[in-house]
Amino acid sequence: AQSVTQPDIHITVSEGASLELRCNYSYGATPYLFWYVQSPGQGLQLLLKYFSGDTLVQGIKGFEAEFKRSQSSFNLRKPSVHWSDAAEYFCAVGAINTGNQFYFGTGTSLTVIP
Amino acid sequence: DTEVTQTPKHLVMGMTNKKSLKCEQHMGHRAMYWYKQKAKKPPELMFVYSYEKLSINESVPSRFSPECPNSSLLNLHLHALQPEDSALYLCASSPPGGVLAKNIQYFGAGTRLSVL
Repeated sequence: AQSVTQPDIHITVSEGASLELRCNYSYGATPYLFWYVQSPGQGLQLLLKYFSGDTLVQGIKGFEAEFKRSQSSFNLRKPSVHWSDAAEYFCAVGAINTGNQFYFGTGTSLTVIP
Repeated sequence: DTEVTQTPKHLVMGMTNKKSLKCEQHMGHRAMYWYKQKAKKPPELMFVYSYEKLSINESVPSRFSPECPNSSLLNLHLHALQPEDSALYLCASSPPGGVLAKNIQYFGAGTRLSVL
């Protein structure tokens, strides 16, 4: 069965510091992987996606993520965090064998301190 | 335009009320989704419509009744809800084929529902 694990429930970083949010997946075939961000009371906004090809993908707002098949990971990174990045971050995997379904991780809440 | 519009933004209802949530998109997407999200939790899939037909129902109680009257519109009819149904209800849409076609889901801002 497909599953997504985000080991860090909550992360606090200083503004200007680098950020890495972890995501591990369990899936039998090549996964389609996504990172979404959710600001308080808002819907989900897509940051970036991986379908195939280059394992380092660039997204919006200066985010990037690297797909590592050997580690079943798709970690999100940003070199310098801004206060506006404070939000909830969800990793998701798209499952081919179940059509249109997404499987979301439990999320990582990011706090940015001045 | 990648906008999914949900109305109302907030809804308060009693347990005996009947209300509806509305979701609209004009991107030509033929897959639409309802999710339920509790605070500090990931979205939980409720229903998937593909080409206006219900394709996935994740064992949702019958007090939630989805409807897809046309390719742009998705409704969620609510009746006799319980306080534990209070949550953020998110709608999403994706182009035809969904994940199989390597398409992504676009989310609306959600309806914050409170059941008293």
